Amino acid sequence: GDSVTQMEGPVTLSEEAFLTINCTYTATGYPSLFWYVQYPGEGLQLLLKATKADDKGSNKGFEATYRKETTSFHLEKGSVQVSDSAVYFCALSHGGSQGNLIFGKGTKLSVKP
Amino acid sequence: ETGVTQSPTHLIKTRGQQVTLRCSSQSGHNTVSWYQQALGQGPQFIFQYYREEENGRGNFPPRFSGLQFPNYSSELNVNALELDDSALYLCASSLGLNTEAFFGQGTRLTVV
Repeated sequence: GDSVTQMEGPVTLSEEAFLTINCTYTATGYPSLFWYVQYPGEGLQLLLKATKADDKGSNKGFEATYRKETTSFHLEKGSVQVSDSAVYFCALSHGGSQGNLIFGKGTKLSVKP
Repeated sequence: ETGVTQSPTHLIKTRGQQVTLRCSSQSGHNTVSWYQQALGQGPQFIFQYYREEENGRGNFPPRFSGLQFPNYSSELNVNALELDDSALYLCASSLGLNTEAFFGQGTRLTVV
């Protein structure tokens, strides 16, 4: 069945460091790919998405490119801030539906001043 | 415009009991999905409701059941609770099947 694999955390970075969180997927067909973020004490929020190969999703300085050849959707940010500390989830769905999402296990990011 | 609200925020139940969790979807949203998030894991899809009909189900036993009301609010019922049912239960609503899902803060269920 479909699955999402994320790099293990936690990830600890200093402020202004470069961030990469790896995400690979296994799926039939052409899924849509998402990154969600969960700040402490809050619900999941959609960070960015891509619906077809070579699409780049971007938001709040984060970006990820849908790579069909490597079945990957790595999250990157050029300069992280303390306020980016959260748990990040990679997810996929079929048909564009965001109601039936398959999530990775999540990667906890801590950014130190 | 209020967001997705879930109740209660926390509860503790005894093994074998039944529990009902509630979700009020965001205004105008006709689609609700439920997820179970065990500690240290990503959310797992339980089922989705679209305009009061079940529209997909994940790999959960029949003792997990749901309902969506005419106002599009929803309930998740779990019978014969097991210790492994302890988790954060998340509800997400959306305007339709292919639009952004907005998540509530979840209900933390502990089964003892």
